Amino acid sequence: EPEVTQTPSHQVTQMGQEVILRCVPISNHLYFYWYRQILGQKVEFLVSFYNNEISEKSEIFDDQFSVERPDGSNFTLKIRSTKLEDSAMYFCASSDGGNNEQFFGPGTRLTVL
Amino acid sequence: RKEVEQDPGPFNVPEGATVAFNCTYSNSASQSFFWYRQDCRKEPKLLMSVYSSGNEDGRFTAQLNRASQYISLLIRDSKLSDSATYLCVVGRWGKLQFGAGTQVVVTP
Repeated sequence: EPEVTQTPSHQVTQMGQEVILRCVPISNHLYFYWYRQILGQKVEFLVSFYNNEISEKSEIFDDQFSVERPDGSNFTLKIRSTKLEDSAMYFCASSDGGNNEQFFGPGTRLTVL
Repeated sequence: RKEVEQDPGPFNVPEGATVAFNCTYSNSASQSFFWYRQDCRKEPKLLMSVYSSGNEDGRFTAQLNRASQYISLLIRDSKLSDSATYLCVVGRWGKLQFGAGTQVVVTP
């Protein structure tokens, strides 16, 4: 069964450093998403991406965040200058339609020291 | 008011019993509705989509009431492996809003 994959599984970084989180969505999906979950809290929407551009973003997704689809398979989330409060689990998801079911990757646990 | 509200539980359920819980959502323009399950420190896994006509998948039955803006989930013949946090999820133009989850603990 096709699945979303994410790398790395755990990333530790110093405050102020840049991080890039990587995702490989399900191959025939066209809609891509990033969510985050701070420990003990609910899953929060960050951004949606379709046709090589951002469709929607949340208030969390400020200028420090960017997304890119650098090739036909990868989808990345970059945080330019990490803050302590960026520590969270980051989930990538994909779907084959704008309102269809979304399938989540296993997540990247980001720890900012 | 929270976008999606759920009873956090925990719901302690004897193995083989039936458990039901629901959630409410605030945005009447919501377009899509789902139940996901999440095991500790893992990703949300899709359990089922939810429709106004109601839908069933094995031991799981989900129902959507658009007029009252609530979504329900019923689990029959609970298994130990059903222990998890169940996330009520509401979508609009692909943006998913998650509830904080209802914890279910199935006991032998």
